[in-house]
Amino acid sequence: DSGVTQTPKHLITATGQRVTLRCSPRSGDLSVYWYQQSLDQGLQFLIHYYNGEERAKGNILERFSAQQFPDLHSELNLSSLELGDSALYFCASSAQDRSNYGYTFGSGTRLTVV
Amino acid sequence: SQKIEQNSEALNIQEGKTATLTCNYTNYSPAYLQWYRQDPGRGPVFLLLIRENEKEKRKERLKVTFDTTLKQSLFHITASQPADSATYLCARGFPGNTPLVFGKGTRLSVIA
Repeated sequence: DSGVTQTPKHLITATGQRVTLRCSPRSGDLSVYWYQQSLDQGLQFLIHYYNGEERAKGNILERFSAQQFPDLHSELNLSSLELGDSALYFCASSAQDRSNYGYTFGSGTRLTVV
Repeated sequence: SQKIEQNSEALNIQEGKTATLTCNYTNYSPAYLQWYRQDPGRGPVFLLLIRENEKEKRKERLKVTFDTTLKQSLFHITASQPADSATYLCARGFPGNTPLVFGKGTRLSVIA
């Protein structure tokens, strides 16, 4: 157990639907990052939150949004889903002072859009 | 654009040999490079971080080098074992408040 919890582990939904992925960071970590991993694209950075505030955006579609709550858990909302959104979605957390320890990743949510 | 590239998609080696994986970067000079291991269907796991002023860093059977002249990091696994079979990812960035940018990874298979 890495300390980063992602739910659900698997999600199957239809095109056009909306889903919410949830992430609880490791205790004490203020930063949460969301990544999308598909077979041909590798790990793609989506968005970063630090202590409730959005800090950076990557290749995140307008149909996707995220937020980080006061208890530091984060949610990634995916709407108007398309077949191409099928992928593994990972959340990672880090603490500013743990410079030698990298990111801690969750086990991911596998999203299948049918 | 600033790229981080792992040129080999896959590498097969014999058990007991040293595996060497390559990570190249272009159009910038990262201050930090990191290496992660990812098993199928699992999240990446942090292995090592190396700073630009460190030529080499070691952890058990793992060794990472950082050559700013060649714009390259090498990741070595000595005395490789079948359990080392996984995808290894290189990433640039400082693990504080900045997002990491990952290479596509090299899939290592250690054959008994």
